[in-house]
Amino acid sequence: DAGVIQSPRHEVTEMGQEVTLRCKPISGHNSLFWYRQTMMRGLELLIYFNNNVPIDDSGMPEDRFSAKMPNASFSTLKIQPSEPRDSAVYFCASSFYEKLFFGSGTQLSVL
Amino acid sequence: RKEVEQDPGPFNVPEGATVAFNCTYSNSASQSFFWYRQDCRKEPKLLMSVYSSGNEDGRFTAQLNRASQYISLLIRDSKLSDSATYLCVVSPSSNTGKLIFGQGTTLQVKP
Repeated sequence: DAGVIQSPRHEVTEMGQEVTLRCKPISGHNSLFWYRQTMMRGLELLIYFNNNVPIDDSGMPEDRFSAKMPNASFSTLKIQPSEPRDSAVYFCASSFYEKLFFGSGTQLSVL
Repeated sequence: RKEVEQDPGPFNVPEGATVAFNCTYSNSASQSFFWYRQDCRKEPKLLMSVYSSGNEDGRFTAQLNRASQYISLLIRDSKLSDSATYLCVVSPSSNTGKLIFGQGTTLQVKP
């Protein structure tokens, strides 16, 4: 199994631009999570889905952030417009019986 | 108060030393507990689950004290390769799969 696949690995963009992060979970996992990691705040849960349905988005910082999961094998996290304070590593993870498997992350830099 | 609190360290120990990390959680109804390991610039990976009776995996021992809402990880005979950040993880509910991460404790094992 290829594991959780995220793209891109690195994204550098200018303030105000739209950013779309992509994730392919492990086949058969029915939960998908988006986390953000910074030195100051550690790993923060942004949103998670069960069976493609958003369950808890209370961690999404503000309306500029949105996430979708149109099917069991694909999810996106979109930031529009992006701001420098959004710079972080964004991880996608899928789970099997509460055991999380993370992708390699997307390093986002907003200039 | 944070939901999951850890001493960030860093813990600097010589090879062969025994080191212990502690973690406290605020939600007394929390159901499941884990330790994850994160290497520099990598994604977190599951190290071990933590059971009420305590459990051991080679040089690693995890313990849970529900009354004190406290979790520990003991590493015996530490190796250079144990250098990493150790993340305490708590599931507030058994139904959601949602996991809350502590800030992590950094371990540096020196030759």
